[in-house]
Amino acid sequence: NAGVMQNPRHLVRRRGQEARLRCSPMKGHSHVYWYRQLPEEGLKFMVYLQKENIIDESGMPKERFSAEFPKEGPSILRIQQVVRGDSAAYFCASSPRGEPQETQYFGPGTRLLVL
Amino acid sequence: GNSVTQMEGPVTLSEEAFLTINCTYTATGYPSLFWYVQYPGEGLQLLLKATKADDKGSNKGFEATYRKETTSFHLEKGSVQVSDSAVYFCALIGYNQGGKLIFGQGTELSVKP
Repeated sequence: NAGVMQNPRHLVRRRGQEARLRCSPMKGHSHVYWYRQLPEEGLKFMVYLQKENIIDESGMPKERFSAEFPKEGPSILRIQQVVRGDSAAYFCASSPRGEPQETQYFGPGTRLLVL
Repeated sequence: GNSVTQMEGPVTLSEEAFLTINCTYTATGYPSLFWYVQYPGEGLQLLLKATKADDKGSNKGFEATYRKETTSFHLEKGSVQVSDSAVYFCALIGYNQGGKLIFGQGTELSVKP
């Protein structure tokens, strides 16, 4: 059973470009979570999605950031018009039922560098 | 709101030393508590968890007990190895908070031979 997959592992963008980060959850998991790890900081929740639905986006910046988890295909975290402060590691996690006591399984992360 | 506070690092120990990493939390109701470990350049792996008061989570020689009375979930290991060098994160999911993991700031552990 393959784990959570994220691609690309490393992404370099210039200021003003768009960044698209992809996450394929573990087989059988229909709940996906995105977290951001800024340099020298802990992980911060961004958004929680179930297939075709955003459940909780309380951690998403109000502008330039969006997320989706379509019926088919991976979850996508999209950052428009990137700025240097968006440089961070972005981690995706998945779980089968979205219950609080469940383990979330993390992917290896995408490290975004904005020049 | 819910929050997690961990002891600051970095923590440097000699091999076979005893490890404690303190973690306290603030939450309403009964959250689920987790310890995750992050090795350099990798994602997070679940180390152990506890979902109700007085539960003890354990894995790979690490242990933590869910203490409701002190709102704590301290991580312990009796004899650390060089391979335990990593960053350790304490985290919680609040009651009725879906899958929103709230992390502490992380504690870097370095074990010297």
